[in-house]
Amino acid sequence: AQSVTQLGSHVSVSEGALVLLRCNYSSSVPPYLFWYVQYPNQGLQLLLKYTTGATLVKGINGFEAEFKKSETSFHLTKPSAHMSDAAEYFCAVSSTGFQKLVFGTGTRLLVSP
Amino acid sequence: EAGVVQSPRYKIIEKKQPVAFWCNPISGHNTLYWYRQNLGQGPELLIRYENEEAVDDSQLPKDRFSAERLKGVDSTLKIQPAELGDSAVYLCASSFSVVADTQYFGPGTRLTVL
Repeated sequence: AQSVTQLGSHVSVSEGALVLLRCNYSSSVPPYLFWYVQYPNQGLQLLLKYTTGATLVKGINGFEAEFKKSETSFHLTKPSAHMSDAAEYFCAVSSTGFQKLVFGTGTRLLVSP
Repeated sequence: EAGVVQSPRYKIIEKKQPVAFWCNPISGHNTLYWYRQNLGQGPELLIRYENEEAVDDSQLPKDRFSAERLKGVDSTLKIQPAELGDSAVYLCASSFSVVADTQYFGPGTRLTVL
């Protein structure tokens, strides 16, 4: 069975500071990994995805994530936080390609001026 | 390009009442998903359609939930009768194909059962 653990239900940073959102996964086969962002009263929007190949994945809005198989991790980072980054972030894993995503419980990012 | 459209955006009903949610996927997307997102949780898949066919409904509570996707485009998710525990956000997503394509999510319907 596949699963995702997101450490920290809330993460607070100051504007301009590094953003680090943690995601660890469990999968019996090489996984596909995703990060989605959800703004209030909106649907989920894909930030980035890892399928195969290069382990450092760049996404939209300056976010990137690195697949580390040995650590079963896929942490999301951004060098400098903006106020507009405040949202809920979900990590997801799939062991069946794009068919069935299993989501983590989410991390709410708070950005203070 | 229009995104995934869902209606209504909000619904409040009494328990034991029926309720239905509607989804219009992105044009040309053959795969359609319904998810339920409980408060403080990530989305959980309820059902996946490939065109008109429900190919994965293992997580759909079939005693009270039903879904249909007539003509392989719009879809409706129904709950009858609703229970207090059904309060959640119901999300619809679509993708061009299931093989190698991103899921695009609609804004969801927030259901409150009193």
